[in-house]
Amino acid sequence: GAGVSQSPSNKVTEKGKDVELRCDPISGHTALYWYRQSLGQGLEFLIYFQGNSAPDKSGLPSDRFSAERTGGSVSTLTIQRTQQEDSAVYLCASSLGVASYNEQFFGPGTRLTVL
Amino acid sequence: AQSVTQPDIHITVSEGASLELRCNYSYGATPYLFWYVQSPGQGLQLLLKYFSGDTLVQGIKGFEAEFKRSQSSFNLRKPSVHWSDAAEYFCAVGARRSQGNLIFGKGTKLSVKP
Repeated sequence: GAGVSQSPSNKVTEKGKDVELRCDPISGHTALYWYRQSLGQGLEFLIYFQGNSAPDKSGLPSDRFSAERTGGSVSTLTIQRTQQEDSAVYLCASSLGVASYNEQFFGPGTRLTVL
Repeated sequence: AQSVTQPDIHITVSEGASLELRCNYSYGATPYLFWYVQSPGQGLQLLLKYFSGDTLVQGIKGFEAEFKRSQSSFNLRKPSVHWSDAAEYFCAVGARRSQGNLIFGKGTKLSVKP
């Protein structure tokens, strides 16, 4: 079956603009994760969903970041008033359930460049 | 707090040579341990994982890793590297009681010389 898909693959935006990043998880996966990969850094955890619920939003870098998930499927990460430090690759992953022993399947990522 | 350290940012090995990538973790108990590989322009792919039991685990593409509790290490090894192994490798830990997110190291980039 299809893996995790993300769109767009690349996004270039101007500072101050809002952007939406989309993630389509593997069908049947109830858990969905967002990570950020900055140049030279590892992956930074942002937020996770169990179904449509995001119990802990403390990993989001600022209140300009928000995320939602609808129908237990597609998720959108929104960054408002983008800043240059938001430039990174945003990775989405999904798994069968919320527990560390479940393998997380990653999408190819969205490369965000803020000019 | 949990953390993962990958001491080597970049490693170059010759094709056919053996490989060992280092990973040290900080966690109060035995965590779940993972190695992922990221090829250019690709998402992360799971190579192998350790949960419990035999401390030497086998993964895909001929990779293996050994969990050493006394050293808080989970080093990745391959006896003979192929040019297609050139990629970035990430070690990650997951807490046994957690929301499921993984803590990643900063990665080791592997280059392979012909």
